[in-house]
Amino acid sequence: GQSLEQPSEVTAVEGAIVQINCTYQTSGFYGLSWYQQHDGGAPTFLSYNGLDGLEETGRFSSFLSRSDSYGYLLLQELQMKDSASYFCAVRDSSSASKIIFGSGTRLSIRP
Amino acid sequence: EAGVAQSPRYKIIEKRQSVAFWCNPISGHATLYWYQQILGQGPKLLIQFQNNGVVDDSQLPKDRFSAERLKGVDSTLKIQPAKLEDSAVYLCASSSRDATNYGYTFGSGTRLTVV
Repeated sequence: GQSLEQPSEVTAVEGAIVQINCTYQTSGFYGLSWYQQHDGGAPTFLSYNGLDGLEETGRFSSFLSRSDSYGYLLLQELQMKDSASYFCAVRDSSSASKIIFGSGTRLSIRP
Repeated sequence: EAGVAQSPRYKIIEKRQSVAFWCNPISGHATLYWYQQILGQGPKLLIQFQNNGVVDDSQLPKDRFSAERLKGVDSTLKIQPAKLEDSAVYLCASSSRDATNYGYTFGSGTRLTVV
C-alpha cells in the first residue's frame, strides 16, 4: 500500500520562504505531485516530480529524492493568497493514473 | 477549455435518505475519478472510470454507494441510504490518458451534509 506523511500545519510570514516536506511509502513509485486547495475550493495541480531533483515554476519549486522517499514544496516570496492547504500525492503502483493524497498541510501566512 | 462541472454545489439531507451527484468532465478526458474529502483530510479515491468502464472501485462502500458513467462522458454518484459519516465534499476529477503533466483537473465539488 501507500502512505504519505506531511506536517499538519505551517505558519510563515508574508514575503518569506517556506518549505513543506513530504515522506512517502509506496510499493511502486511513479512520481510525486503537489496540489493546492483554498478553503471551499477545488484542489489545483501545482507540480510533478518523476525524477530526482528540483522543478521550478515561478515562486513555487518542488524537489524529489527517490532514494530517501522524500520530497518538498518550496514557496518563495509568500503572499497572503498562498494561505491554503497543500497536499502531496503519489501515483498508485497498481494504476499509474490513480493518485493517492496525503492528509495535507495547512499553510497560514501572517502579515 | 471549460473545467469539470459538478452539481449540486451543496446538499443537506437526513440520514437514511438518498442523494445523487452529477459530474461532467473536461471534453475528451477519458479518465474520471470520484473522491471523497472529509473535513481536514486529503481526498480519498472512491472510484475511477476509464471511458465507461470501472478501473478501480476498491474503496467504494458498495452496500450504499454506486456510480455510473454512461456513454463515457457524464457520471453520477449515488448514496442510498446516507449515513452521518458520509458528510463530506465529493470531488470529481478528470484527466487525459496521455497528460504530460500528470495532473488532474478537479471540479468545485458537492458539499454534502447528512443530519
